[in-house]
Amino acid sequence: QKEVEQNSGPLSVPEGAIASLNCTYSDRGSQSFFWYRQYSGKSPELIMFIYSNGDKEDGRFTAQLNKASQYVSLLIRDSQPSDSATYLCAVNRPGGGNKLTFGTGTQLKVEL
Amino acid sequence: SAVISQKPSRDICQRGTSLTIQCQVDSQVTMMFWYRQQPGQSLTLIATANQGSEATYESGFVIDKFPISRPNLTFSTLTVSNMSPEDSSIYLCSFLGQGVYEQYFGPGTRLTVT
Repeated sequence: QKEVEQNSGPLSVPEGAIASLNCTYSDRGSQSFFWYRQYSGKSPELIMFIYSNGDKEDGRFTAQLNKASQYVSLLIRDSQPSDSATYLCAVNRPGGGNKLTFGTGTQLKVEL
Repeated sequence: SAVISQKPSRDICQRGTSLTIQCQVDSQVTMMFWYRQQPGQSLTLIATANQGSEATYESGFVIDKFPISRPNLTFSTLTVSNMSPEDSSIYLCSFLGQGVYEQYFGPGTRLTVT
């Protein structure tokens, strides 16, 4: 089992729809969860982080965390073509000295 | 927030040679990290670089192949030594932000080994 799993996609959504990106992790000791956006040919950009169970909203983005199910998701409301990118889920490594483990990413395509 | 830069942005190198990648942050940071991202793949951590101590390498990465320096709190270098085509990749540095575990990435160095 991979430490951080994501569906590689591509996930295609129409403009204006809600995009839902999912991530599962294997280590129950993980406490901090991150979503990075990576445009093609660019480096990852941190867009959301969440530490507590529940929802965290920032603009059009909502991160959701369920530690019991070891599941974290990212919702993007009113999706725009500019949201088309690969979204990487990252999880801290318990006892790992501030290190993160990254999933393989989900490619999102927002279609006109 | 701090700004992070890398040099070079890209390079094409001959096999058997070495390349040193520089990473500069415009403010002091405690921890810096070096990653590799191969085409179509996610990020793989190479090592953690702390000022004043030896870099800590992940399984599968060794100091002889990827020597790292961290001379001060704003700068680090990664050298890719004795390169082979398998080293063709994007190399990224990052730093630990003010929060817990948050990392911010440089623009990356795209390396092609021929």
